[in-house]
Amino acid sequence: ETGVTQTPRHLVMGMTNKKSLKCEQHLGHNAMYWYKQSAKKPLELMFVYNFKEQTENNSVPSRFSPECPNSSHLFLHLHTLQPEDSALYLCASSPTPRQIYGYTFGSGTRLTVV
Amino acid sequence: QKEVEQDPGPLSVPEGAIVSLNCTYSNSAFQYFMWYRQYSRKGPELLMYTYSSGNKEDGRFTAQVDKSSKYISLFIRDSQPSDSATYLCAMSGVAGGTSYGKLTFGQGTILTVHP
Repeated sequence: ETGVTQTPRHLVMGMTNKKSLKCEQHLGHNAMYWYKQSAKKPLELMFVYNFKEQTENNSVPSRFSPECPNSSHLFLHLHTLQPEDSALYLCASSPTPRQIYGYTFGSGTRLTVV
Repeated sequence: QKEVEQDPGPLSVPEGAIVSLNCTYSNSAFQYFMWYRQYSRKGPELLMYTYSSGNKEDGRFTAQVDKSSKYISLFIRDSQPSDSATYLCAMSGVAGGTSYGKLTFGQGTILTVHP
């Protein structure tokens, strides 16, 4: 399989649940990103990882906890979310963080918090 | 004021029409400009990119950047139903001086091309 794969595609969770989103890239890229896409709002960068090290946390609430065990895998652990956290969560990768033309996005996880 | 403004539409045109999609921005440091296309239930995919001012053409698509007006455009000629998607503009400043090339996105324009 090639590209950036995200699982699950859809997730419904209660505000007291704990769940995780998974992202895997088969492109040999070294940088990985989490973005949030809400209706009628621009994509919001959440986290940046470069060679497994977090290089950017864009003031994201602590109820979102990223994990990057290696350059190919990225997780987003979720706990005690709010209804306003319902959105499409997109993972992306690029060869390096500087190569802004080299972003490849996954298809996203549609999250609904009830 | 948002850094990047993009008319969300929706925009509906007949097949064969010329489509014009636009973004304005306020940050004069932006030098790298991109257009992404996002089909329903998919992630964005890079469609075109340009550096600084000028035009770039790729098949039916033409990207224009006017830095003096802080205005970028994407033109689609002979539009097809398969062009129906959300189009996102994105831009970035000078990547060399930062730890990463941060992209700032517009909110996207929903385009429907009907047969």
